[in-house]
Amino acid sequence: EPEVTQTPSHQVTQMGQEVILRCVPISNHLYFYWYRQILGQKVEFLVSFYNNEISEKSEIFDDQFSVERPDGSNFTLKIRSTKLEDSAMYFCASRTDSSGNTIYFGEGSWLTVV
Amino acid sequence: KNEVEQSPQNLTAQEGEFITINCSYSVGISALHWLQQHPGGGIVSLFMLSSGKKKHGRLIATINIQEKHSSLHITASHPRDSAVYICAAGNFGNEKLTFGTGTRLTIIP
Repeated sequence: EPEVTQTPSHQVTQMGQEVILRCVPISNHLYFYWYRQILGQKVEFLVSFYNNEISEKSEIFDDQFSVERPDGSNFTLKIRSTKLEDSAMYFCASRTDSSGNTIYFGEGSWLTVV
Repeated sequence: KNEVEQSPQNLTAQEGEFITINCSYSVGISALHWLQQHPGGGIVSLFMLSSGKKKHGRLIATINIQEKHSSLHITASHPRDSAVYICAAGNFGNEKLTFGTGTRLTIIP
């Protein structure tokens, strides 16, 4: 079974530091997503990415966040200056095309901001 | 803004019981996802529905677009089914999903 892999699985960072969360989507997938889940809360959509650009983003995805796919395989989420409220599980997901196929999630990256 | 509500929030059942988890949403959609979140946090997609019913093994998902309601059923439940089940509403080709709070299912041997 193909899978989406995420690194790191857990990261602790000091407030104000930059963090990069990495994802390797399934190789033939074209659509990429980041979601987050604050402990005890619902999963929330952050951003979708297609054809090397952001296709949609939520109000959570402000100027502190950025995404890129620098080398055609890794898909990264950068948080420029972390805040305590950025502590959450961040999920990467990918899908082959827009025809409604299954979306595949990674195992998540726990980010703890102290 | 779409609101997605799930019930029950918690469900404990004996092994072998038939399980039903419900999901209601407030705004018309074209795709409803059922997801399973394991204790470690990882998420697995179970179904994506636009109409009618889908079956995979012991899992069955149904959706009523007019009533804005979907159900996930598990037949012959097993302790390994213990997880959080989440429904998420959106539109085809757009994963800007609105998620429910999840239903924590515990199956006792």
